[in-house]
Amino acid sequence: KNEVEQSPQNLTAQEGEFITINCSYSVGISALHWLQQHPGGGIVSLFMLSSGKKKHGRLIATINIQEKHSSLHITASHPRDSAVYICAVRGRETSGSRLTFGEGTQLTVNP
Amino acid sequence: DTEVTQTPKHLVMGMTNKKSLKCEQHMGHRAMYWYKQKAKKPPELMFVYSYEKLSINESVPSRFSPECPNSSLLNLHLHALQPEDSALYLCASSQPLGQETQYFGPGTRLLVL
Repeated sequence: KNEVEQSPQNLTAQEGEFITINCSYSVGISALHWLQQHPGGGIVSLFMLSSGKKKHGRLIATINIQEKHSSLHITASHPRDSAVYICAVRGRETSGSRLTFGEGTQLTVNP
Repeated sequence: DTEVTQTPKHLVMGMTNKKSLKCEQHMGHRAMYWYKQKAKKPPELMFVYSYEKLSINESVPSRFSPECPNSSLLNLHLHALQPEDSALYLCASSQPLGQETQYFGPGTRLLVL
């Protein structure tokens, strides 16, 4: 079992729909990151969370430390949101710079 | 400036070639990273430099040789690569404290023939 599990693996939505991507992890963490990767490669860091909830534009990220679970929500989805979304955690016991990545969720938003 | 730049964008090389990938950032970050990413897989950490010193080497084969000539630059020297080394190579940087956000470059797509 991977230390970081994401669901779903693939998600197709219609423009305007509310989208949720889930991330569960099995280790104690000091921080959780949500990353976005568009076709062509570049990765953008969306959020870093250690507790609670963060919002940026149409994106909302939440984390429940007790349940070892985080969600990424996209409101009013748009075709330009189509990308791979990756959850990554920094374990409490690991050296400061190492992230453990989930397998990613491929999101396709159709017009 | 919150940008990490990488050159070249694409690289095709033979198994006997020697080439280098370059990464640069001007955010004052003192930690820099090399990742390897195969298609439809998450990035795999290769090396971490902290304050220009190699702090993590994830048992990477010696045909990959990292170099950090100063706090803004990170190189990855390639020699005698194998076709299975074909991948996207991503550079990232951050402050070296445990909880800092990593900023990623656009990557170099490498094809080894």
